[in-house]
Amino acid sequence: DAEITQSPRHKITETGRQVTLACHQTWNHNNMFWYRQDLGHGLRLIHYSYGVQDTNKGEVSDGYSVSRSNTEDLPLTLESAASSQTSVYFCASSRGGKETQYFGPGTRLLVL
Amino acid sequence: ELKVEQNPLFLSMQEGKNYTIYCNYSTTSDRLYWYRQDPGKSLESLFVLLSNGAVKQEGRLMASLDTKARLSTLHITAAVHDLSATYFCAGVTLGGGADGLTFGKGTHLIIQP
Repeated sequence: DAEITQSPRHKITETGRQVTLACHQTWNHNNMFWYRQDLGHGLRLIHYSYGVQDTNKGEVSDGYSVSRSNTEDLPLTLESAASSQTSVYFCASSRGGKETQYFGPGTRLLVL
Repeated sequence: ELKVEQNPLFLSMQEGKNYTIYCNYSTTSDRLYWYRQDPGKSLESLFVLLSNGAVKQEGRLMASLDTKARLSTLHITAAVHDLSATYFCAGVTLGGGADGLTFGKGTHLIIQP
């Protein structure tokens, strides 16, 4: 069955380290998204991509970057992790247009 | 900038009762989504509402959209414990060039036997 996966599922890192979170989908969806979820804020959009080589900033993109070298993957990189980036990160994908976005299982990141 | 507000943010109710969760949004949204999230889990898509007057139903849940009032509702009929979860609504900025969702803060629903 087609699916969307994230790895790692849990990560502890130190302030200042570079961290990359993986997102992989097998639906062949063009659109992929990264969100973070924090208590009191709901989910907020970090970056998104409409296809290979396309990336765009979302509402809370500072300190994050993404790259899209193929349809299936959209890795999220924290260039220099900060404690404020402790959060649960969700990747999502959709076929595009008005289609539903499907979410991955999430990655819990703790920055010490 | 699209803003999405849900209310209530917390709701405790008894099994068998009916209740409605409200989702207001600040500017025109191309469409409105409802998601469910169980504790420690991912988000599960419930409904996508694409036009004014749209109504969708699945089991004890019914969602509707009034684009003129910028309001969507999620109605729960004869609640059962299994519906306990956090429910999110989300919109998309019309013409913004992005399909990224703007979420409300979620409604934490507890249904007690």
